[in-house]
Amino acid sequence: AQKITQTQPGMFVQEKEAVTLDCTYDTSDQSYGLFWYKQPSSGEMIFLIYQGSYDEQNATEGRYSLNFQKARKSANLVISASQLGDSAMYFCAMRELIRTGANSKLTFGKGITLSVRP
Amino acid sequence: GAGVSQSPSNKVTEKGKDVELRCDPISGHTALYWYRQSLGQGLEFLIYFQGNSAPDKSGLPSDRFSAERTGGSVSTLTIQRTQQEDSAVYLCASSSGTGTYEQYFGPGTRLTVT
Repeated sequence: AQKITQTQPGMFVQEKEAVTLDCTYDTSDQSYGLFWYKQPSSGEMIFLIYQGSYDEQNATEGRYSLNFQKARKSANLVISASQLGDSAMYFCAMRELIRTGANSKLTFGKGITLSVRP
Repeated sequence: GAGVSQSPSNKVTEKGKDVELRCDPISGHTALYWYRQSLGQGLEFLIYFQGNSAPDKSGLPSDRFSAERTGGSVSTLTIQRTQQEDSAVYLCASSSGTGTYEQYFGPGTRLTVT
């Protein structure tokens, strides 16, 4: 079974500063994918970034980067130069990559609320 | 291009009534997922469709829940004899089924059972 843990309480960051959102995971799968999604108050889940378990480089997408530490089973999201529009709920998720079907579903963490202060 | 669309955006129903929630995935996406998001429960997987294969129904919480996908495109999630604990936001997602398998979500349907 897969498990995602996001334990940080509500996070606050000053506009233009960087912030790290923590995510740890547990799985017995050898090949898996890690995802971060953003959910603003409008409710829609927005895909941000993906990291494959065999990727040697940390993923980056614009202001988002994923600090992947496989041995520690952590996949922290780093947001650089925070903007007011980054205020939202952030979810870490994972899925197994080898098999499709039953294991294609995403397993989500409970989420972290980020508030960006002007 | 157009993203995943869902209807209705909000639904209020009386306990015991049946409801149907609709999802229109991104054109060409072969995989379609339903999730439920409720306070205190996070996001829960409900059901998954991939092409013409039999759906994975392992996440459906009871036999009151069912879903179908017609023509490999639009999907309908049906909840029969709704209960108050069914109140949640129901999210639909689709995926191309290849590559990194990222899922793209619709805006959700907020269901309130009174």
